[in-house]
Amino acid sequence: GNSVTQMEGPVTLSEEAFLTINCTYTATGYPSLFWYVQYPGEGLQLLLKATKADDKGSNKGFEATYRKETTSFHLEKGSVQVSDSAVYFCALSALNYGGSQGNLIFGKGTKLSVKP
Amino acid sequence: DGGITQSPKYLFRKEGQNVTLSCEQNLNHDAMYWYRQDPGQGLRLIYYSQIVNDFQKGDIAEGYSVSREKKESFPLTVTSAQKNPTAFYLCASSIPRSGLAYGYTFGSGTRLTVV
Repeated sequence: GNSVTQMEGPVTLSEEAFLTINCTYTATGYPSLFWYVQYPGEGLQLLLKATKADDKGSNKGFEATYRKETTSFHLEKGSVQVSDSAVYFCALSALNYGGSQGNLIFGKGTKLSVKP
Repeated sequence: DGGITQSPKYLFRKEGQNVTLSCEQNLNHDAMYWYRQDPGQGLRLIYYSQIVNDFQKGDIAEGYSVSREKKESFPLTVTSAQKNPTAFYLCASSIPRSGLAYGYTFGSGTRLTVV
């Protein structure tokens, strides 16, 4: 079946450090891939997405590239800020057999804390 | 602006009581979803509905019930049969056929505490 695996957290970085959060997936066919961010006490917000192999999603300085050969969608940011402290979720959406829309499947989330 | 509204933000329930969490969207989305989130845990799907008057159980439906009488509304009832209801509940919506590329839109959540 379809699944998403994220690196376990928590991840603690100093301000301006480089961030990588690993995400790998298992899916049949060609899923769409997403990163969501959840700030404390809030719902999830879509951060970026990619719908086909080699696509790069980007937003607010974050980037992720859809790598079909390694079934990965790692999240990166060159210089994190304190305001980036949040939980980050990787997710995929794939078609079921018969072409119907499958539900979004989430990883367990990675908590990021950025210290000044 | 279009969006999803969950209410209330905080809810307290006594043991043995049923409570209903509200979720309303004005995005004209066909599909709606309920997730449960426990501290340090990922999201677990409770129920989802792809169309009005139809809904399916997710991974942890026991002790919960839903209705979908209107496209805009997908209320979740946490019944007394749910043994450990204290959690953060998230509602989401999507366009099913386009969701493959657009993902979900989430509400801001309801924190339910059993007292």
